[in-house]
Amino acid sequence: AQKVTQAQTEISVVEKEDVTLDCVYETRDTTYYLFWYKQPPSGELVFLIRRNSFDEQNEISGRYSWNFQKSTSSFNFTITASQVVDSAVYFCALSEAPGSYNTDKLIFGTGTRLQVFP
Amino acid sequence: DVKVTQSSRYLVKRTGEKVFLECVQDMDHENMFWYRQDPGLGLRLIYFSYDVKMKEKGDIPEGYSVSREKKERFSLILESASTNQTSMYLCASSLGQGNTEAFFGQGTRLTVV
Repeated sequence: AQKVTQAQTEISVVEKEDVTLDCVYETRDTTYYLFWYKQPPSGELVFLIRRNSFDEQNEISGRYSWNFQKSTSSFNFTITASQVVDSAVYFCALSEAPGSYNTDKLIFGTGTRLQVFP
Repeated sequence: DVKVTQSSRYLVKRTGEKVFLECVQDMDHENMFWYRQDPGLGLRLIYFSYDVKMKEKGDIPEGYSVSREKKERFSLILESASTNQTSMYLCASSLGQGNTEAFFGQGTRLTVV
């Protein structure tokens, strides 16, 4: 069965601290995609990154970086020098391998609420 | 700017009422989805549609139905609302070429009293 686990329910940091959000996944597929989404207080999920199972290169985008390790089935997300605007719920998600049609269905973790205090 | 628009941000309905949640996307996406978000459970897929008039059950379809008569519009229907359907409902759409990112609406917080 496919599953995404975000063990950290809530994290609180002070501005400028670095913070890492953990994501562990389970899948029997050899081809799969992993995603991170941000949900600010407004409620709309905002896409942050997509990574396919054949690309284990780490990615950096500004203050955000992602560490994908197939050996540990993890796809962790680090925010460097956190800011108050980073306060949100962050979701990790896994997509099923395409079947007879490409469904783009996502399996979500339970989310990690990040609070950044000034 | 790409957009997925849900018709209501907040809804309060009575037990037993028939409830319609509407979602419209302007990106000409093939796939549309309805998720339900509950604390501690994350997002769970209710139904999705990969084409007009085509639909498939997700993980928690009981008590819900959907309608997709036009490509841009995907409706979630609660045939007879119950209090355990009080939740945040999120609509999403995606291109449909396989593992493309989904774009989400702002969510509808439904309370059934």
